[in-house]
Amino acid sequence: SQTIHQWPATLVQPVGSPLSLECTVEGTSNPNLYWYRQAAGRGLQLLFYSVGIGQISSEVPQNLSASRPQDRQFILSSKKLLLSDSGFYLCAWSVEGGETQYFGPGTRLLVL
Amino acid sequence: DQQVKQNSPSLSVQEGRISILNCDYTNSMFDYFLWYKKYPAEGPTFLISISSIKDKNEDGRFTVFLNKSAKHLSLHIVPSQPGDSAVYFCAASLSYGQNFVFGPGTRLSVLP
Repeated sequence: SQTIHQWPATLVQPVGSPLSLECTVEGTSNPNLYWYRQAAGRGLQLLFYSVGIGQISSEVPQNLSASRPQDRQFILSSKKLLLSDSGFYLCAWSVEGGETQYFGPGTRLLVL
Repeated sequence: DQQVKQNSPSLSVQEGRISILNCDYTNSMFDYFLWYKKYPAEGPTFLISISSIKDKNEDGRFTVFLNKSAKHLSLHIVPSQPGDSAVYFCAASLSYGQNFVFGPGTRLSVLP
């Protein structure tokens, strides 16, 4: 069966510090991968998606970036965090052209 | 401009009664819709979907209705149970397998 992992579960970082959140998927090959953010009181905002290694599409311009160094690994990064980057970050995967996206447990990021 | 709207941020329902969660969208090209349920500090989980060729899809206690002319869909939960208390997200895509646009969510509280 397929599983999706995200870490860390919780992160508190000072403004201006770097960020690296990791997501890995097991049990499937060549998944589509997604990064979402849920800010307080708001819905899920798609940040990045990837259909293959090294292929990243950005949905929203911001100070975040994403990379896919391996087929089942998706990394969300920032060189300098802003206060507004606080939120709940979710990684998801789907099969290519699949009906459903499956979400990881999420990372709660608090930027102080 | 939000393409997918859930105008009720919260809803309270008595256990055993029907819960009706509403979702409106602005892009008439959307033709595939999903509902996700999300518990605090967890990733969303898929509930039920509907494509534009249908106006109703049922799965156990959950039924989704689609009114394309009104650009409106709703999720009915009958009977509601305390375990249904969660945030419900409506999502829409231009076609099966395409990226989704999520609504802001409705927090459902089922009171015992």
